[in-house]
Amino acid sequence: ETTVTQSPASLSVATGEKVTIRCITSTDIDDDMNWYQQKPGEPPKLLISEGNTLRPGVPSRFSSSGYGTDFVFTIENTLSEDVADYYCLQSDNMPYTFGGGTKLEIK
Amino acid sequence: QVQLQQPGAELVKPGTSVKLSCKASGYNFTSYWINWVKLRPGQGLEWIGDIYPGSGSTNYNEKFKSKATLTVDTSSSTAYMQLSSLASEDSALYYCARRKDAMDYWGQGTSVTVSS
Repeated sequence: ETTVTQSPASLSVATGEKVTIRCITSTDIDDDMNWYQQKPGEPPKLLISEGNTLRPGVPSRFSSSGYGTDFVFTIENTLSEDVADYYCLQSDNMPYTFGGGTKLEIK
Repeated sequence: QVQLQQPGAELVKPGTSVKLSCKASGYNFTSYWINWVKLRPGQGLEWIGDIYPGSGSTNYNEKFKSKATLTVDTSSSTAYMQLSSLASEDSALYYCARRKDAMDYWGQGTSVTVSS
C-alpha cells in the first residue's frame, strides 16, 4: 500500500499570498496524483487530476507539479473563498490512498 | 447534469447492517466506476473500494473487505454499499464518487451513526 504524507496539516495566509502544499508518496506513482478541495458540508471537489491536469472550470490560480514521489500543489493569489480542506489522492495503485489533509485559513 | 444522490443520514444499532444507496443520473451509469470513500472527523479520507456497473467487477481495500459489500442495480442506475457488523468506528460520512480518469463527481454523502 502506498502511504501519502501531506504537509502542512494547517496553514494561515493573507489574501493574495501564495499557498504551497506538499505530498510525498512511499512508492513511485508516476504522475498519478489528484488534488481535492473540500469546504464544510460539501463533498470533495476535484481541482487537478493525473498528469497535473487542471479540471475544466477550475481557476488557473490552482496548479500542481511533481512526478514520482514528490508532489506540490499551489494556490497563487489566495482568495477568501479558498478557505477549505485540501487533500491529495494517489490513483496509481490500489488501494487508492489520500493524504491526511491541509486546513487552509485566511488571516 | 451529472448527479449522485445519497440519503442524508442513517441511524443504526451496533451489530446490525446497513445498505447505503447512490443513485446516478445525467450520464451513462455503466461506463464509469463507482467508488466509495469514508470520512471520519480527524481521520481523513479512506478509499473503501469500487465497482464497475457494466460488469459488476469490484475492487476492495483490504481493510474493508470483511466490512463492505458493493453491488449495483443497472435498471435503476443505483449503486449500493452494505456495511456489516456495525460498530462505533463505522460511524462516519460515506461518499460515492464516479470514476473514469478521476473521481470527478461525488455524492453529498450519507452520515452513518452507530448507536444503541
